Amino acid sequence: DTAVSQTPKYLVTQMGNDKSIKCEQNLGHDTMYWYKQDSKKFLKIMFSYNNKELIINETVPNRFSPKSPDKAHLNLHINSLELGDSAVYFCASSQVWGANEQFFGPGTRLTVL
Amino acid sequence: TQLLEQSPQFLSIQEGENLTVYCNSSSVFSSLQWYRQEPGEGPVLLVTVVTGGEVKKLKRLTFQFGDARKDSSLHITAAQPGDTGLYLCAGVDTGGFKTIFGAGTRLFVKA
Repeated sequence: DTAVSQTPKYLVTQMGNDKSIKCEQNLGHDTMYWYKQDSKKFLKIMFSYNNKELIINETVPNRFSPKSPDKAHLNLHINSLELGDSAVYFCASSQVWGANEQFFGPGTRLTVL
Repeated sequence: TQLLEQSPQFLSIQEGENLTVYCNSSSVFSSLQWYRQEPGEGPVLLVTVVTGGEVKKLKRLTFQFGDARKDSSLHITAAQPGDTGLYLCAGVDTGGFKTIFGAGTRLFVKA
């Protein structure tokens, strides 16, 4: 069983398009996250949701809009994609807010042409 | 802004050698985690250290949290090719709100 799953695994698209990445966790966790990992492998928090409520929004352009329909899902929609959005996006979850351990999904490699 | 600096950024060694990776900050963290990430996958937690001065061992890996809870080290004894990967340290700030990741140390162990 996959604990944290993301779809798609790879996403190649043109500048200006709108795309979504989906994330689901079957761990029963309260908190979910989106991270962006750039080409230098630096992992940076974008958003954090706790019980479907937005807790952290780290200076991310408003072209990025997370949505949590329930505790098990946190989707990421990106409008008007730009070249600089190319990266690997990771979804993660933790049992509770502030928990030490985070469980990561396999990542979605987004390439904007 | 809290920052975690990892060194070295890249390390290539022969099988059987020992190595130490460092994670340093000027900020105090309530806990610190070490993750390993393999290509095409997400990071996987190796260990969490919470108490200043704490030492934890995971087979050939030894993790230490600094006394002041600002830094940590990961020591690998007799490295094996299977240890190859990206090692990330991550600190949880004292408010418990955010996890800050270091830029990682990419380790390559040659057979």
